[in-house]
Amino acid sequence: QSVLTQPPSVSGAPGQRVTISCTGSSSNIGAGYDVHWYQQLPGTAPKLLIYANNNRPSGVPDRFSGSKSVTSASLAITGLQAEDEAVYYCQSYDNSLSVWVFGRGTKLTVL
Amino acid sequence: QVQLQESGPGLVKPSGTLSLTCAVSGDSISSSDWWTWIRQPPGKGLEWIGEIYHSGSTNYNPSLKSRVTISIDKSKNQFSLRLTSVTAADTAVYFCARLTVQVSLGYFDLWGRGTLVTVSS
Repeated sequence: QSVLTQPPSVSGAPGQRVTISCTGSSSNIGAGYDVHWYQQLPGTAPKLLIYANNNRPSGVPDRFSGSKSVTSASLAITGLQAEDEAVYYCQSYDNSLSVWVFGRGTKLTVL
Repeated sequence: QVQLQESGPGLVKPSGTLSLTCAVSGDSISSSDWWTWIRQPPGKGLEWIGEIYHSGSTNYNPSLKSRVTISIDKSKNQFSLRLTSVTAADTAVYFCARLTVQVSLGYFDLWGRGTLVTVSS
């Protein structure tokens, strides 16, 4: 069981907006550690999508955005496109386990 | 641009040792601080295995610490993973990745393509 909880799946029609939540605890997100998001397309390696809660690496469209609150974070995707269909993972650090932790992943289906 | 490429046997026998190497191209391995290994069992999520600093300092996932060794060879611009006493539960795609660390954050900004290692007799 992962220390970062994500919904198993979300879906949306092309052009719509979807959000993916990532809920942690006082030993990870709540301890002040930043949250990062990755996109994994089928059969490929994860790709950094958002770092430090709300920053996009060069080349990532501004349709992707992130936010963080006390013990949780969210990834928002606007203007859904077919190529956004992937699994999305959140990641942070847990100081009670002393490990970099990932959520279990959320599969996004574009209807 | 900097690229990572994993290599090693795709099949390891139970109780044997898994050995993988990650070759860094496009820059010196000493230019970045931390290098890591992450694995993903088929159809499952991501698990951090451990990391090595370019000076040779290491940190490991406590759940794997007794079986894991990560080393670095700056002359070959590569780092390696060794996992002993493997079982079927160690079957996974193994990724090498670069870890960027600052005060309150650490994220994996560069990944290899991954290599599938199957533990089976």
